[in-house]
Parts: sequence; C-alpha cells; structure tokens
Amino acid sequence: QQKVQQSPESLSVPEGGMASLNCTSSDRNFQYFWWYRQHSGEGPKALMSIFSDGDKKEGRFTAHLNKASLHVSLHIRDSQPSDSALYFCAVSPMNYNQGKLIFGQGTKLSIKP
Amino acid sequence: GGIITQTPKFLIGQEGQKLTLKCQQNFNHDTMYWYRQDSGKGLRLIYYSITENDLQKGDLSEGYDASREKKSSFSLTVTSAQKNEMAVFLCASSRQGADTQYFGPGTRLLVL
Repeated sequence: QQKVQQSPESLSVPEGGMASLNCTSSDRNFQYFWWYRQHSGEGPKALMSIFSDGDKKEGRFTAHLNKASLHVSLHIRDSQPSDSALYFCAVSPMNYNQGKLIFGQGTKLSIKP
Repeated sequence: GGIITQTPKFLIGQEGQKLTLKCQQNFNHDTMYWYRQDSGKGLRLIYYSITENDLQKGDLSEGYDASREKKSSFSLTVTSAQKNEMAVFLCASSRQGADTQYFGPGTRLLVL
C-alpha cells in the first residue's frame, strides 16, 4: 500500500486562478511533510516543508497541515503558466535524523493562459 | 549554494550491457540518493548512502549496484540493462536523514 496518496492525479487551472493539491500519509509515524515541484526536463526542487498543524505561507504558496488526519494541502493563488509542473508530496518519519523521504506519485498541474 | 552534477546527461546502451551513472555534489552533504523516474511518474528509491562507504537499499535495488567512493560522489551501475527500465535516473543529496533533498538534472537512459 502506498504510504503517501496524492490527489488529484492531474489538475487544470486558468491563469490567475487558485490551484489546490492534496496529500495524505497512511502511516502515523510519518508526520513531516514536504512539497516538491518538478518542471519538465529538470530535477524536483523543494518548495516548502510543514511540520506543525495549521498554515504555512510562502509567497503565493500556502500549505495547510492537519496532523489528526495526516492530511496536507498546497494552495497556489494567482496561478502563473510557470507553475505548470509535476508536484510531489513527500513525508518523513518522526525520527527525523535517521529516516528518508517517501514520495507520492505526483499531481500534474497545468495552468491555462 | 551548491550544485549536483550528473553525468552523462543521456546514456544509450544495449540490452544486457553494464552501464554506470555518476553523481557529484558540492553541498558537503552527508546523505546521497539515487531514484528512478519512469515517464511522468513518481520517484522510486534505488539506493541511498548516509556517509562515505555506506550503502542502503531502497525499494528498487534489484538489478542495480551503487558505490559511494567519497563524500561528494555517488555512482549507480545498471548491472544488465533491460528495455523496460528506460527512465530518468535522479541523484539527490541532503544534509542528513530526512532533511530537504536537492536534486540533479537527471540522466536519461535509453536501452536499444
């Protein structure tokens, strides 16, 4: 069973709109979350991490974590064509220093001009 | 800042051939990783290394060998290339354990 489930598989949003991506961990030992973004032909790049309940905002990107449900969402406001990419959620164990990241299968985001 | 360099950018081999991919990082990170990414799909961990001369198997290690010769470099060998493993191989590094990972641009493998 996949430890990290992402939804939707793909998403199309008009330019200037709000994109919302979801991620759930199936293992309560994995509660630290990251979001990565991968543009076509490049390696993934870390966007942000969130470890505590609530919201974390970085520019146009806001992550929301609910630890009780092990669910994290990523909201991108004022979406730009450059936001078109594959977005990965990753989780790590609470024993932070000894574990490794487990990646989800990704959400493909397309921003339509 | 730092950078991760992967060589070669494209690797073309024959079925059954032994092929080696190389990765260098100048972050001075302890931990390095090799992932395989099939077209447009997620990342599957092949091997990782938490320090020089250490090797840990990931979920997809069968058919691969790895070598961490020194802190800054991590090599991956495809022991017998198969047509169904044409993919992009991504190298990454992190300061330690489950810290933020920094990725290289990838090596695209084509098996004829």
